[in-house]
Amino acid sequence: GESVGLHLPTLSVQEGDNSIINCAYSNSASDYFIWYKQESGKGPQFIIDIRSNMDKRQGQRVTVLLNKTVKHLSLQIAATQPGDSAVYFCALMADSSYKLIFGSGTRLLVRP
Amino acid sequence: DTEVTQTPKHLVMGMTNKKSLKCEQHMGHRAMYWYKQKAKKPPELMFVYSYEKLSINESVPSRFSPECPNSSLLNLHLHALQPEDSALYLCASSPGTGGNIQYFGAGTRLSVL
Repeated sequence: GESVGLHLPTLSVQEGDNSIINCAYSNSASDYFIWYKQESGKGPQFIIDIRSNMDKRQGQRVTVLLNKTVKHLSLQIAATQPGDSAVYFCALMADSSYKLIFGSGTRLLVRP
Repeated sequence: DTEVTQTPKHLVMGMTNKKSLKCEQHMGHRAMYWYKQKAKKPPELMFVYSYEKLSINESVPSRFSPECPNSSLLNLHLHALQPEDSALYLCASSPGTGGNIQYFGAGTRLSVL
């Protein structure tokens, strides 16, 4: 079945530095990947997505990289700001499925 | 507008009470979802409605009863809950087909006494 794992439960970075949050998955049939940000007391907020026919996708200050060979996904945040402090979840689904499987989450702490 | 609205924000109920959680979206999405999230854990899927029909039930106990009155509304009826059902209940919606972004509401924080 599908499973999603994260390499680090908590990531602490200095304000202004770049952050990298990693995610591993096991099911090669997964073909759609989403990163969500969840702040305290709020629901998950969409950040960026990528489909399996792509290796990289960029948004505003964020980049998602997908390595299908090793089944690894990463989220890069450039010039991390205090407002980036939150829990970040990777999530994946098979393209024809409604079922979204979430990883266990990484808490990002931004030091001033 | 990518807003999913959930009410109430907080709910406290006893184990013999009946209550309902409500979710509304006006994005024209045809798929709506209920998730349960325990503290420091990821969201877990409970139910999926597609075109107002229940398409996925993740073996959720019958004390949780979903309802989709129309394409914009999703309810979750609660009855005879247990203290371990205390959690954040999240609603989400997405366009009709799979493989699309799911947009989440802020959730209802439920406490069962």
